[in-house]
Amino acid sequence: DQQVKQNSPSLSVQEGRISILNCDYTNSMFDYFLWYKKYPAEGPTFLISISSIKDKNEDGRFTVFLNKSAKHLSLHIVPSQPGDSAVYFCAASGKDRTTSGTYKYIFGTGTRLKVLA
Amino acid sequence: DGGITQSPKYLFRKEGQNVTLSCEQNLNHDAMYWYRQDPGQGLRLIYYSQIVNDFQKGDIAEGYSVSREKKESFPLTVTSAQKNPTAFYLCASSIRVVAGPLDFGAGTRLSVL
Repeated sequence: DQQVKQNSPSLSVQEGRISILNCDYTNSMFDYFLWYKKYPAEGPTFLISISSIKDKNEDGRFTVFLNKSAKHLSLHIVPSQPGDSAVYFCAASGKDRTTSGTYKYIFGTGTRLKVLA
Repeated sequence: DGGITQSPKYLFRKEGQNVTLSCEQNLNHDAMYWYRQDPGQGLRLIYYSQIVNDFQKGDIAEGYSVSREKKESFPLTVTSAQKNPTAFYLCASSIRVVAGPLDFGAGTRLSVL
């Protein structure tokens, strides 16, 4: 049962245009959401996050939108640059109720973004 | 410089052998995690730990074991019971009691000889 889904395995965008990456989740107990960027054979790098009490968070060229009723989040990159080409993972987190409060992080399968010069 | 160190970067396992992947952090984080990455499958949670001497199974714990004897260290053993161990393994840590981003190590690539 995949609790976090990224239905688009790949996305190509022209340099300077907007990149929109999507993510859906099923567990309504998730209350913190994150986006990571990853290059091959390296650890993921944190990009931006959003708490469930917000519906938007911006950091420079990156904006994350959260639609709780649809259980959907998206990452917008504007403008897209060739250096943004990587695999992007969304992750959802919530407190593990079987322990005394550790956050458990579930990741999607990733979307490979290619920004064309 | 604070961070997470994984070693070795590359590891080879022979049939029937147990191997241990090292993960050390100097971020003073309480919680530590192990993930496995396979092509097209994203990151899957193997084990996680919130405090010393305590850990929980993730979604794919079978064939793996962990220990948490020190706050800084969370080694993962891939046992001979894990029939398909070839993957990229990632260790991560976070502050336990508030929601915050995971910090990741650079990963260990495990292959079977």
